[in-house]
Amino acid sequence: DQQVKQNSPSLSVQEGRISILNCDYTNSMFDYFLWYKKYPAEGPTFLISISSIKDKNEDGRFTVFLNKSAKHLSLHIVPSQPGDSAVYFCAASAGLYTNAGKSTFGDGTTLTVKP
Amino acid sequence: DGGITQSPKYLFRKEGQNVTLSCEQNLNHDAMYWYRQDPGQGLRLIYYSQIVNDFQKGDIAEGYSVSREKKESFPLTVTSAQKNPTAFYLCASSPRDRARATNEKLFFGSGTQLSVL
Repeated sequence: DQQVKQNSPSLSVQEGRISILNCDYTNSMFDYFLWYKKYPAEGPTFLISISSIKDKNEDGRFTVFLNKSAKHLSLHIVPSQPGDSAVYFCAASAGLYTNAGKSTFGDGTTLTVKP
Repeated sequence: DGGITQSPKYLFRKEGQNVTLSCEQNLNHDAMYWYRQDPGQGLRLIYYSQIVNDFQKGDIAEGYSVSREKKESFPLTVTSAQKNPTAFYLCASSPRDRARATNEKLFFGSGTQLSVL
């Protein structure tokens, strides 16, 4: 049973428009969520995170929204740029200090931003 | 520059052979992790270590072994018992800190692509 799901394997948007990447989770113990960006043949890099005590976190062009009741989060990129083209992974983590870093990852969404 | 170095970038394994993937970090992070990525899939946790001389199994530890003799190093051995080893292997680290935002953020190496001959 996959606990973190990214149901859209790919997304294509025009440069300058908004990109919205979605993520759903099933484990109600998850209380910290992260987004990572990955280019081919490289390791993921951290993008933005949100704690379950918040419903929104913003960092420049990137905003993450969390809807706990729906067990859903989304990443908004505004405006989208061609350099944003990459695979985006949603990750979730549960509880205690001892579990920190043991994230459960979704399968990723490949974003293509067209010039 | 601080970071995580994985080597080699590409590795080939023969039938029945054990191979070891190297991971070194100079970020002074206490915790280190090994993840496996298969095509079109997310990352799955193999092993993790939160302190020197201690490590724990992740979700898919069978056929793998690790050691953590030094803070900077966390090598992964893919044994002959791992019947489907072809994958992209990622090593990561994170600091142990009371701040959740610091603790949870993983720093990744650039990965090792392992293939079977």
